[in-house]
Amino acid sequence: EIVMTQSPATLSVSPGERATLSCRASQSVNSNLAWYQQKPGQAPRLLIYGASTTATGIPARFSGSGSGTEFTLTISSLQSEDFAVYYCQQYLKRPGTFGQGTKLEIK
Amino acid sequence: QVQLQESGPGLVNPSETLSLTCSVSGGSVSNYYWSWIRQSPGKGLEWIGHIYSSGSTKYNPSLNSRVTISVDTSKNQLSLKLSSATAADTAIYYCARDARMVEGHATLYYDYNDVWGTGTTVTVSS
Repeated sequence: EIVMTQSPATLSVSPGERATLSCRASQSVNSNLAWYQQKPGQAPRLLIYGASTTATGIPARFSGSGSGTEFTLTISSLQSEDFAVYYCQQYLKRPGTFGQGTKLEIK
Repeated sequence: QVQLQESGPGLVNPSETLSLTCSVSGGSVSNYYWSWIRQSPGKGLEWIGHIYSSGSTKYNPSLNSRVTISVDTSKNQLSLKLSSATAADTAIYYCARDARMVEGHATLYYDYNDVWGTGTTVTVSS
C-alpha cells in the first residue's frame, strides 16, 4: 500500500500568518490527493481534492498544490477556526491511505 | 443536505462481532459508493472498505477476512460487521460517502470522501 508521510507533525503559527503543510507519497499518486481538516470531537471535513481543487464551501484562503509524490496545503491567513489537525489522503490505489496528520496550533 | 449517523454498541467483547449501522438522511444511498473508515490513536485513519448501492464491495486487504459491509436501500442504511474483534479494533468508526462527479453522460467515482458521519466510538474489551 502507498504510505503517506506528513510534515511537520506540529506547526505553530500566529493568527493572520501563512501556514504551509507538506505531504509526501511513497510512490506517485498523480493528482489523486485530498486534504481534510479535523477538529476535536468532529469527523474529518474535506478541504481539497484532485490535489488543488477546493471543495464546496471551503474558504479561498485554503489552497493545495503538487503532483506525483510531493504536495502542499497552504492556508494564506490563519483564522482562529483554522487551528486543527490536517490529513492528506491518496486515492489513486486501494486501499486509500492517510497521512498521520499535522496539528496546526496557535503560536 | 445529506447527513450520516452511525449507531451500534459502544462496547464489544473480544472475539465477538462488531456490528454498526449508518443511517443516511437528506438523500438516497442509490448510485453512490459508501465507505467505512476508522480512527485510532495507534493506526490513525484507516479505510475499512466500501459498497456501491447495488451491493458490490471492496475491502481493505488487512481486514478482508473479517469484514462484511452491506446496504439496505429500502431503509437507506449501510451496515458494517467485523468478526473476531480484538482490542486493536478499538476506534472511532465513521461512515462516509465516496465522491461522485457527473461529466456529461459519464459518472465518475472517486475514493475520497465528501460527506462524513459524526462517528461512533467502539471499545473492544471484556
